[in-house]
Amino acid sequence: NAGVTQTPKFRVLKTGQSMTLLCAQDMNHEYMYWYRQDPGMGLRLIHYSVGEGTTAKGEVPDGYNVSRLKKQNFLLGLESAAPSQTSVYFCAIQVRGQPQHFGDGTRLSIL
Amino acid sequence: GENVEQHPSTLSVQEGDSAVIKCTYSDSASNYFPWYKQELGKRPQLIIDIRSNVGEKKDQRIAVTLNKTAKHFSLHITETQPEDSAVYFCAASRFWGDQGGKLIFGQGTELSVKP
Repeated sequence: NAGVTQTPKFRVLKTGQSMTLLCAQDMNHEYMYWYRQDPGMGLRLIHYSVGEGTTAKGEVPDGYNVSRLKKQNFLLGLESAAPSQTSVYFCAIQVRGQPQHFGDGTRLSIL
Repeated sequence: GENVEQHPSTLSVQEGDSAVIKCTYSDSASNYFPWYKQELGKRPQLIIDIRSNVGEKKDQRIAVTLNKTAKHFSLHITETQPEDSAVYFCAASRFWGDQGGKLIFGQGTELSVKP
C-alpha cells in the first residue's frame, strides 16, 4: 500500500452526521492529498498539505475540513454529511520530486 | 480553471493489438504528466510518467508521448494482454511549483482487452 493507510475502509452515514477519515503514512513524506472519486469523473482534489501544520484547498473543498497536526497524519472531516458526498475517498502521499502514491481508499455512503 | 480532457472514455481491443489513449491539458505551466492504472475496487497505481523536458518515454510495452506546443499527451500500449484491462487515468501537474504536486486528472478510459 506504498506506506499509506486509510481508515476506515467502509462507512455508512446518515445525512447530517459527522465523521473523520484518517490517512496515516510511515514514509515521512512532505506532501499529502485527499481526492474523491466519482463514476465517470476521475479523481478530484479536495484538500492538500505541503507540510505539518499547513493545508490548502483543492478543486472541490466545500463541505470538507482537514488538519495536519502531525506530519504522519492527514485528517479529512465531514461536519454535516450530505448524500452528494457519497464517494470513494483516496489519500495520496508524495516526496517532492517523486510521483504520488495512493492508499487503498475509503468507500463512504451517505443515506 | 485547470482542466484535463481524456479520450476515449471506453476502448475495446483484441489481445495483441495496440491501444492509444489521448489527453489534452489547459494549464500551459504544467510540467509533469503521470498515467495511473486502476483495477476494479483497487487504488490507482502509477504505470509511467513524463516530464515536460522529454518528448517520449518507454517502459517495455508502455510508452507516453508529449507535445507541449499542442498541450497533448498520449499513452500507447502495445501487444495488449487481458491483464491490461482496467481504467486508465491521465493527469497533469505543476510538479516543481509552490503548489506542491497537486494533480488534475482526466475522466478516465475503461480499456477492455478481449482474448
